[in-house]
Amino acid sequence: DQQVKQNSPSLSVQEGRISILNCDYTNSMFDYFLWYKKYPAEGPTFLISISSIKDKNEDGRFTVFLNKSAKHLSLHIVPSQPGDSAVYFCAASSTSGTYKYIFGTGTRLKVLA
Amino acid sequence: DTAVSQTPKYLVTQMGNDKSIKCEQNLGHDTMYWYKQDSKKFLKIMFSYNNKELIINETVPNRFSPKSPDKAHLNLHINSLELGDSAVYFCASSQELASSDTQYFGPGTRLTVL
Repeated sequence: DQQVKQNSPSLSVQEGRISILNCDYTNSMFDYFLWYKKYPAEGPTFLISISSIKDKNEDGRFTVFLNKSAKHLSLHIVPSQPGDSAVYFCAASSTSGTYKYIFGTGTRLKVLA
Repeated sequence: DTAVSQTPKYLVTQMGNDKSIKCEQNLGHDTMYWYKQDSKKFLKIMFSYNNKELIINETVPNRFSPKSPDKAHLNLHINSLELGDSAVYFCASSQELASSDTQYFGPGTRLTVL
């Protein structure tokens, strides 16, 4: 039962343009969401997070949007750079007690120079 | 300085063997985790420990036994290895046991069972 889904396995974007990565979840108990970036042969690296009390969080070129009614979040990268090429995982958790993240299967982003 | 380190990085072994993967964090965190990433790229939690106490055990076969000798270390021992155990295993740590606490991952150990 996949509670967190990233339906696009891959995405290609031109350098300088916007990258939009999407994530859907099914469990209404999730109230904290994160994005991780992963390069080959490395572990996932935390990128940005958002609590369900917000609908947007911004950190430099990275912005996460949360639509609770649609159970959907997205990560926007503007402008995209070749170094952003990686696999991006979204993750969700419930702060009311299970102490674990549920990860999506990732989207491979390729930023073309 | 590597925040979360794992050894070995690669492990190739025969079915039926017993092997261990070691994890150490130098972040002073209280909570550590083991994740498994299978061939379909699902990254799933296996165990978590908080202050050396087992908190999460996610229906993992008994052949997998985590051991936390102290807060900075969480090792994973696997008995009687099977083909389906082939995966990348990631260790992670967080400051405390909280679902909103950022987890920091190690580089992973790629286990191949022949």
